[in-house]
Amino acid sequence: DVKVTQSSRYLVKRTGEKVFLECVQDMDHENMFWYRQDPGLGLRLIYFSYDVKMKEKGDIPEGYSVSREKKERFSLILESASTNQTSMYLCASSVRVTPSTDTQYFGPGTRLTVL
Amino acid sequence: AQKITQTQPGMFVQEKEAVTLDCTYDTSDQSYGLFWYKQPSSGEMIFLIYQGSYDEQNATEGRYSLNFQKARKSANLVISASQLGDSAMYFCAMSDTNAGKSTFGDGTTLTVKP
Repeated sequence: DVKVTQSSRYLVKRTGEKVFLECVQDMDHENMFWYRQDPGLGLRLIYFSYDVKMKEKGDIPEGYSVSREKKERFSLILESASTNQTSMYLCASSVRVTPSTDTQYFGPGTRLTVL
Repeated sequence: AQKITQTQPGMFVQEKEAVTLDCTYDTSDQSYGLFWYKQPSSGEMIFLIYQGSYDEQNATEGRYSLNFQKARKSANLVISASQLGDSAMYFCAMSDTNAGKSTFGDGTTLTVKP
């Protein structure tokens, strides 16, 4: 079974703090993704990566950065957390066979609250 | 640009009955994939079923089936014999031929009544 883990289920941070969200997958998947999920707005793609050290901006990259130093790990970084970044963050991974068939497998999510 | 539309914000079904969750999509791609995910209140997104645009038969996975009507650009999820554990939010998604990104609908909340 595919296993995608995220470092925290719940996280509370202060405005201005630097926040790291970690995601690890154990299936040797090439693609990894970070989404945020907000009520009424669905899932929105923040960043994705299709290889080590490669990253692409998604739909809402502002205020975020990412790091992928190893194939299994994809980190989302909030350089200076703000209250409008309070959200549910979901990490996903997929194997790259053909883009139209790549099923994404998700981690359990991190509920981040910025005070 | 791709778009997924789920027109039912909430649905109710009686236990043991079948239910259909609607999904329509828009794309100019010839090759694409359609997915359904389940998200229980715990938050984790669980992959349910996949349909490729060139697949001639509707996909089935246990109690889940995908009613794929390509000409109408619809990919409805059918859950047979609903169970209380099926209560969750359900998302329809479409893969992008560019680097495997997916576009998600806004979701449908399904409540199964005993």
